[in-house]
Amino acid sequence: GQNIDQPTEMTATEGAIVQINCTYQTSGFNGLFWYQQHAGEAPTFLSYNVLDGLEEKGRFSSFLSRSKGYSYLLLKELQMKDSASYLCAVRAGSGNTPLVFGKGTRLSVIA
Amino acid sequence: DVKVTQSSRYLVKRTGEKVFLECVQDMDHENMFWYRQDPGLGLRLIYFSYDVKMKEKGDIPEGYSVSREKKERFSLILESASTNQTSMYLCASRQGGNTEAFFGQGTRLTVV
Repeated sequence: GQNIDQPTEMTATEGAIVQINCTYQTSGFNGLFWYQQHAGEAPTFLSYNVLDGLEEKGRFSSFLSRSKGYSYLLLKELQMKDSASYLCAVRAGSGNTPLVFGKGTRLSVIA
Repeated sequence: DVKVTQSSRYLVKRTGEKVFLECVQDMDHENMFWYRQDPGLGLRLIYFSYDVKMKEKGDIPEGYSVSREKKERFSLILESASTNQTSMYLCASRQGGNTEAFFGQGTRLTVV
């Protein structure tokens, strides 16, 4: 079976740093994706990790440890517009295997 | 930019009606997906397709069917809509390999 866990909600202050964790237990592993979804809108791609380590992209970074089945998304210099849900998704197989999504973490950024 | 377009943003249908949700992508992607998204349950995969006329069941296919007659178009069909199919439906597409999926804007379906 596939299981992906994320915290349901988080709150952080504008200008701060927040880390959103994701743990997974899947039958295989072929990459982990992070998506951002604003309320009422479609998810948009943020980052992709397939090897262990940190991938940095501007204010956003994503980390992966395959041996621990663990990833996190790090958001720096938080802005009000970062208030959104953040979805962790795993591709458990190769080829055309679809993504399996966690339930998402709703982040609220407060002044 | 990749564009995935869903035919309706909002739909209201009656119980028992046959409902068609259409999705079109313009980047010649091989793979297309239909998810539903419900509060507290996240995105759940209904059906996907990796080629024209090919379809595979996802995690929750019951009560749904799909059609992919052309590469760019993937339709989700509710044969006889029921109130428990009230949800946000999201279509996605991606090329093969380790590429990200691109989502349509979603169709919020209400079955009354």
